[in-house]
Amino acid sequence: EAQVTQNPRYLITVTGKKLTVTCSQNMNHEYMSWYRQDPGLGLRQIYYSMNVEVTDKGDVPEGYKVSRKEKRNFPLILESPSPNQTSLYFCASNLGGTSLNEQFFGPGTRLTVL
Amino acid sequence: QKEVEQDPGPLSVPEGAIVSLNCTYSNSAFQYFMWYRQYSRKGPELLMYTYSSGNKEDGRFTAQVDKSSKYISLFIRDSQPSDSATYLCAMSFYSSASKIIFGSGTRLSIRP
Repeated sequence: EAQVTQNPRYLITVTGKKLTVTCSQNMNHEYMSWYRQDPGLGLRQIYYSMNVEVTDKGDVPEGYKVSRKEKRNFPLILESPSPNQTSLYFCASNLGGTSLNEQFFGPGTRLTVL
Repeated sequence: QKEVEQDPGPLSVPEGAIVSLNCTYSNSAFQYFMWYRQYSRKGPELLMYTYSSGNKEDGRFTAQVDKSSKYISLFIRDSQPSDSATYLCAMSFYSSASKIIFGSGTRLSIRP
């Protein structure tokens, strides 16, 4: 079954405590992205990756890091989380090229930073 | 001004009605226009996309793009309670979906 998985699904942490949210896809997709979703603001792109070792900033990259060492994995790293990073996070993957149809989102990670 | 504007709703209609969801945008360079459906506590799923202006139909769903007015619409015919969800419009400059700009979403409720 084609899918994007994220872990953890729910996380409560404290300001300054480094955390990583993992994302994995089993479709051999080239493109992967991270979004955050906040009420009234919709989905905003944090980072995206076009292939292994190729990443670029989205619209709201401040306070986040990513890495793409393997095609299937695209972890999101918060080195020093702050309360304004409390949000619902989605990882997504797509085939790239002209295959807009092949887009999949993960189930989401709800992060609360106290 | 946001690049993509979408009325948040909520929008409530009776079962069987035709639903019209709309978005406006400011950047004329957008070429790909997408609609996503997001059920509560789930990730978005792509419903359909169109390239440039025109209409596209898929079952009960029709997407329309009017680039001259910078306005896109999604119509749902014979709406069902299972269509109750948040609908997100989105736009991209490229076909690769590497950079997508989303609207804030419209929450739709279909009353049985």
